[in-house]
Amino acid sequence: KQEVTQIPAALSVPEGENLVLNCSFTDSAIYNLQWFRQDPGKGLTSLLLIQSSQREQTSGRLNASLDKSSGRSTLYIAASQPGDSATYLCAALENEKLTFGTGTRLTIIP
Amino acid sequence: DAGVIQSPRHEVTEMGQEVTLRCKPISGHNSLFWYRQTMMRGLELLIYFNNNVPIDDSGMPEDRFSAKMPNASFSTLKIQPSEPRDSAVYFCASSLWGNHGYTFGSGTRLTVV
Repeated sequence: KQEVTQIPAALSVPEGENLVLNCSFTDSAIYNLQWFRQDPGKGLTSLLLIQSSQREQTSGRLNASLDKSSGRSTLYIAASQPGDSATYLCAALENEKLTFGTGTRLTIIP
Repeated sequence: DAGVIQSPRHEVTEMGQEVTLRCKPISGHNSLFWYRQTMMRGLELLIYFNNNVPIDDSGMPEDRFSAKMPNASFSTLKIQPSEPRDSAVYFCASSLWGNHGYTFGSGTRLTVV
């Protein structure tokens, strides 16, 4: 059974800093990995999707990497802003099922 | 495209009552998923459909839960009878079969008192 872990559970950084969020998964036979953002009381917004054949994806200040062999993915956020404060979830797709990590709650301090 | 549409946004009901949650997937998507989110357990997959057929319902917690997808544009998740421990946010998501990215609805916040 796929297990997805995100560490740390919470992170606070000053505005303007670059930061990295970590995601690990136990079964490397994934089809893709997706990063989501969730604001309090809201739904999930897809940020980036990395296919298993890809190593990374970029969108604006966000860059996600994938290393299937080690079972790891990272989400890099450059020049953080207060509006980046949210919970970030990674999810691994395998056998048509998306398994979520428990998320990292990010707070950007102005 | 309006995205995945869920209704109602909020539902408060008394224990023992029947609750029906609704979902309209993105047009053209042929896979639909129901998830439940709680503080204790995070996001859990309850059931998913492909081409309106239930494929895996192993995540449905009990027989009190049932889901249907009568056509490609509509699905329901029903809880009968509801219990306080069913209180959670229920999300619906859709995708194209073949492991494309998921799109989630805004969720239904269910409170059973």
